[in-house]
Amino acid sequence: EVQLVESGGGLVQPGGSLRLSCAASGFTFSYYSVNWVRQAPGKGLEWVSSISSSSSTIYYADSVKGRFTISRDNAKNSLYLQMNSLRAGDTALYYCARGDLYSPFDYWGQGTLVTVSS
Amino acid sequence: EIVLTQSPGTLSLSPGERATLSCRASQSVSSSYLAWYQHKPGQAPRLLIYGASSRATGIPDRFSGSGSGTDFTLTISRLEPEDFAVYYCQQYGSSPYTFGQGTKLEIK
Repeated sequence: EVQLVESGGGLVQPGGSLRLSCAASGFTFSYYSVNWVRQAPGKGLEWVSSISSSSSTIYYADSVKGRFTISRDNAKNSLYLQMNSLRAGDTALYYCARGDLYSPFDYWGQGTLVTVSS
Repeated sequence: EIVLTQSPGTLSLSPGERATLSCRASQSVSSSYLAWYQHKPGQAPRLLIYGASSRATGIPDRFSGSGSGTDFTLTISRLEPEDFAVYYCQQYGSSPYTFGQGTKLEIK
């Protein structure tokens, strides 16, 4: 069974940093691109970032470019999101999802909540 | 960036009725790389349709997708109680992989 389990969310002050993790199981993680998608309270889904299977291709939404860094460790079947210079507008439930250019997001985790507030 | 606009924002229907949800793109979606997701509170989003019209694994045949270019439709032929949720379209043919703002399907 494919599983994606996010962790690392929490309460952080504006300007602070947080590192999210996503543990993958049930499939060959190193074969697939993976993504971070977020949902702010009362809002819709917003794609944040993606990373290819070998980490050779990385994309970011303009809203996080220069502040967030996506990475992965295929030996540990894990995806990461380093979030710096956090703002109130980054408050959201963050999901990891398997998918790629030309491939839909077919599996999603349950999400981890990030709250940016003083 | 391709902007996806979904309509209506909210759709109020009764179980057994037919639901038609629309997704319009600001420019043509490459090779119909358009997906539909169902999202319920407290759950992970669920892939329903990909490639504009192909049902994902395990999705009942009452869900169907159609369209190409800039206009796409998700149809639920006969609503079941478990179908009431928020539905999003998404294009994955070019980065950024944008989502529509969602259509909330509520019980009338």
